[in-house]
Formats: sequence, C-alpha cells, structure tokens
Amino acid sequence: DSGVTQTPKHLITATGQRVTLRCSPRSGDLSVYWYQQSLDQGLQFLIQYYNGEERAKGNILERFSAQQFPDLHSELNLSSLELGDSALYFCASTRTGSNTEAFFGQGTRLTVV
Amino acid sequence: GIQVEQSPPDLILQEGANSTLRCNFSDSVNNLQWFHQNPWGQLINLFYIPSGTKQNGRLSATTVATERYSLLYISSSQTTDSGVYFCAVYRDDKIIFGKGTRLHILP
Repeated sequence: DSGVTQTPKHLITATGQRVTLRCSPRSGDLSVYWYQQSLDQGLQFLIQYYNGEERAKGNILERFSAQQFPDLHSELNLSSLELGDSALYFCASTRTGSNTEAFFGQGTRLTVV
Repeated sequence: GIQVEQSPPDLILQEGANSTLRCNFSDSVNNLQWFHQNPWGQLINLFYIPSGTKQNGRLSATTVATERYSLLYISSSQTTDSGVYFCAVYRDDKIIFGKGTRLHILP
C-alpha cells in the first residue's frame, strides 16, 4: 500500500458527461501529480499542485481541470467527456516536490461509452 | 522538453534468465525513479536513484547522471516479474515517464 488513495477505482459514464476523480496524498506529502494512461501507452503528465498552488502543467486538455484543497487532497474534473478520454488516471504524491520520491495511487479506470 | 527513451521496448525471457533494461534521458535531471506496472495496472516503486547503484534482492539499478542514463538489472527472473517497467525523471516540477519496457517471463 503506497498510502495514496484514489476514488473511485472504476467509473463508467456516457459521452458528454462530467466526472470528478479524487486523490488523497500520503500523510505529510504536500505535492500531488495527475497522470493519464491510455490503453497500452505510457503515463502522460497532466498537472502538479504543491500545497494548494498549481506548480506545473503538462498537456492537459481545456476540458480538464484540477485543484488541491487546504487539506491537501486533490480533485481532477473531466468534462464534456469523449470516447478517447477512456483511460487509467493516476495521482502521485511527493513530500516537497521534485526532489523527493513519488508514490502512486492505484488509479481510477474511466470508461466513456 | 526532456526526452526519456527506454530500451528494449519488449522483452520475452525464460524463467531464470537475467535482463538489463536501459533508460536514456536527453538533459540533466533532479532525480530518477524506476517503477514496475504489474498486470493489474498497479505502479510499484522499485528504486529512487538519482545517481549511484542500489540493490534490492534480485533487482539492482545504476544511474550515471553525468552520462544521462540509468540501468535496471533483473536477475533470476520469475513469472511475477512480468509487466511493464518504467523509468521516470524529475525536471522542472514534472515527473516525465519513458514509454516503458514490456517484460514477459515464460514459465
């Protein structure tokens, strides 16, 4: 158990809908990263938050947004969903940012039908 | 942005064999990690290794940061070693993954 909790584990929804994925970092970790992994692909970096502030952005679509709350949990919002958004979404947490080890949650498997 | 290349992309080995997986990166990095993604999709931390050599049982890793590469060694492979091995580098507040090496160990 990495100590990073993601909910839900599985999500099936229709095209055009909006979903929210949740991530609770390890106790004491201040930084949260979000990734998308499409079928048989590598992990694409989406966005990073550090102590509530956006720190870095990857190739995140405008239909996607994220935030980190005062209790340090983070949410990734995906809207106007398309079939191509079906993927495994991971979050990771680190103690302080880019110089400390990252631990990943078990992922949320999103299926858009 | 920084490029992370892993080789080989695919590897099929008999149980008991040894293997070396390579990760090359195009620019200096703050840190580097190796992960194993098992067939159920879980990402498991193997090594956090910005430089030098570390060992953990049958696995070991070496990073030569000045030459921009890292190696992961797996000895006496077991079927449970099957899955995808990723290296990931830390740079500019991002953790960037390579495309992975898919390892299949035959019984």
